[in-house]
Amino acid sequence: SQQGEEDPQALSIQEGENATMNCSYKTSINNLQWYRQNSGRGLVHLILIRSNEREKHSGRLRVTLDTSKKSSSLLITASRAADTASYFCATDAWGAQKLVFGQGTRLTINP
Amino acid sequence: EADIYQTPRYLVIGTGKKITLECSQTMGHDKMYWYQQDPGMELHLIHYSYGVNSTEKGDLSSESTVSRIRTEHFPLTLESARPSHTSQYLCASDRGTDTQYFGPGTRLTVL
Repeated sequence: SQQGEEDPQALSIQEGENATMNCSYKTSINNLQWYRQNSGRGLVHLILIRSNEREKHSGRLRVTLDTSKKSSSLLITASRAADTASYFCATDAWGAQKLVFGQGTRLTINP
Repeated sequence: EADIYQTPRYLVIGTGKKITLECSQTMGHDKMYWYQQDPGMELHLIHYSYGVNSTEKGDLSSESTVSRIRTEHFPLTLESARPSHTSQYLCASDRGTDTQYFGPGTRLTVL
């Protein structure tokens, strides 16, 4: 079964609005990462949050982690058309030595 | 831009052909991975390697095989391609359990 599950599966918003995506996982983790994938391309790493961190920022990105609920959220503020992509969370579970990816959220920013 | 390369980017072949998908990285990473991803879907780990002469099967069963004779090179081979192998194949590498760097992917179509 998948370690990470994302919600919503698809999200469509207007340019300038904020976009929030959620990720839930099942086992204890070392860290949780978010990646972006443009259509037909490889994934690009966005941000990593460790299990002892609760919030992290990078530019317009804000990631939170709640280990008690086994969930994370990615917030993209002031969205732009170029943010249109699929966003995946990935967990590095204790002892796994490899990442497990969620099914992704397809984000569409309408101009 | 990650220093990880995949060739070919697109491949259309007939059933029964033997193919090799190439993946090379110049970052000196010990760990390398192959993922299979259908359009708009999640990534499935099919093979990984911890270093030279190390190969492991991933979470999704695959008829493909891999080799790791050199640190920088991690080719994937299908001895006899079938239409069910049609998918996108993504190669990635990392130093440990943090950021994974992805290649651009190979989109394989088997007729």
